[in-house]
Amino acid sequence: NAGVMQNPRHLVRRRGQEARLRCSPMKGHSHVYWYRQLPEEGLKFMVYLQKENIIDESGMPKERFSAEFPKEGPSILRIQQVVRGDSAAYFCASSPNRDSTQYFGPGTRLLVL
Amino acid sequence: KNEVEQSPQNLTAQEGEFITINCSYSVGISALHWLQQHPGGGIVSLFMLSSGKKKHGRLIATINIQEKHSSLHITASHPRDSAVYICAAVKSGSARQLTFGSGTQLTVLP
Repeated sequence: NAGVMQNPRHLVRRRGQEARLRCSPMKGHSHVYWYRQLPEEGLKFMVYLQKENIIDESGMPKERFSAEFPKEGPSILRIQQVVRGDSAAYFCASSPNRDSTQYFGPGTRLLVL
Repeated sequence: KNEVEQSPQNLTAQEGEFITINCSYSVGISALHWLQQHPGGGIVSLFMLSSGKKKHGRLIATINIQEKHSSLHITASHPRDSAVYICAAVKSGSARQLTFGSGTQLTVLP
């Protein structure tokens, strides 16, 4: 049973470009969480999704960030018009239900030049 | 003040020593996680607990709900245990997202 997959592992973008980060949860997991780890800072919650639904997006910046988890395919975290301050490691985690352990992916390291 | 506080921030130990990392929280929780982040950045979930004590190999996690405190213990520490250890709380009434402590950087010297 493959673990949580994230791609790309590293992503370089210039200011103003779009970044798309993908997360494929473990088989049988329908709950996905996205977290961000800024340089020299701790992890922070961004958004919680179930298939086709956003459950809680209280940690998402109000502009430029969006997330989806379609019926088919991976969950996508999309950052439009990236700025240098978006440079961070973005982790997703999945679980089979709300009350189970969350399993983390390897993360995507985004660098904005 | 952070809702989840860890101590110490940094810890250096000699191989074989018994290690304790502490986590205090100021909110009601339904569960508490201990995570390990490797130097390469990957995150592994070590424990999820809501009461009592759990043990896995050389790792032991305890939680005292009344005192709002949890500890992670490592017995017979080894250099391969060197990593950042993070406690994370699931706040009561939340959608189960994690609220993280700032992490403890552990270095075990041979």
